[in-house]
Amino acid sequence: QKEVEQNSGPLSVPEGAIASLNCTYSDRGSQSFFWYRQYSGKSPELIMFIYSNGDKEDGRFTAQLNKASQYVSLLIRDSQPSDSATYLCAVGDYKLSFGAGTTVTVRA
Amino acid sequence: DADVTQTPRNRITKTGKRIMLECSQTKGHDRMYWYRQDPGLGLRLIYYSFDVKDINKGEISDGYSVSRQAQAKFSLSLESAIPNQTALYFCATSDQRERNNEQFFGPGTRLTVL
Repeated sequence: QKEVEQNSGPLSVPEGAIASLNCTYSDRGSQSFFWYRQYSGKSPELIMFIYSNGDKEDGRFTAQLNKASQYVSLLIRDSQPSDSATYLCAVGDYKLSFGAGTTVTVRA
Repeated sequence: DADVTQTPRNRITKTGKRIMLECSQTKGHDRMYWYRQDPGLGLRLIYYSFDVKDINKGEISDGYSVSRQAQAKFSLSLESAIPNQTALYFCATSDQRERNNEQFFGPGTRLTVL
């Protein structure tokens, strides 16, 4: 079993809708959780990090963490065409384990 | 100028050749990492270094070696390249003083081994 699993894509959503991305991880001792966005042909960039159970909101992005279920998610509200990218879930502290990514396409 | 740079950006080489990928950073970070990215597999850690005297193997270090020449420079070598090392390689940096341990990635090197 991979350490970090993401729901397989691609995920296609209409503009203005909510995109929901899911991630599960195997290491119960993990303390830090990250969401990176990667545009095609570009390098990953951090968009959210979360350490505590519950929700964390930043603009149109909300990260949700449930350590008991070993589950972390990312919601993108009011999706825009510029949100079309691959989203990578990463787990760990100084050494990160990445999921394979979920590709999101926002339809205008 | 970019904070994390990688050279070369693209490289085509032949099986058995030695190749070096270089990474430099101006962010003043102490931690540096090398990843490879393959379609459907995400990013996998090859090596990481917390300072000039500290080198650690990652998830997939076989066939690779690294050198931390200075705090700002971290090189990845393929001693004898093979076709399954064809991938997109990223260097990343982070600062141990930062609570969120955000990793900043370079632009990547696309390596093709024929």
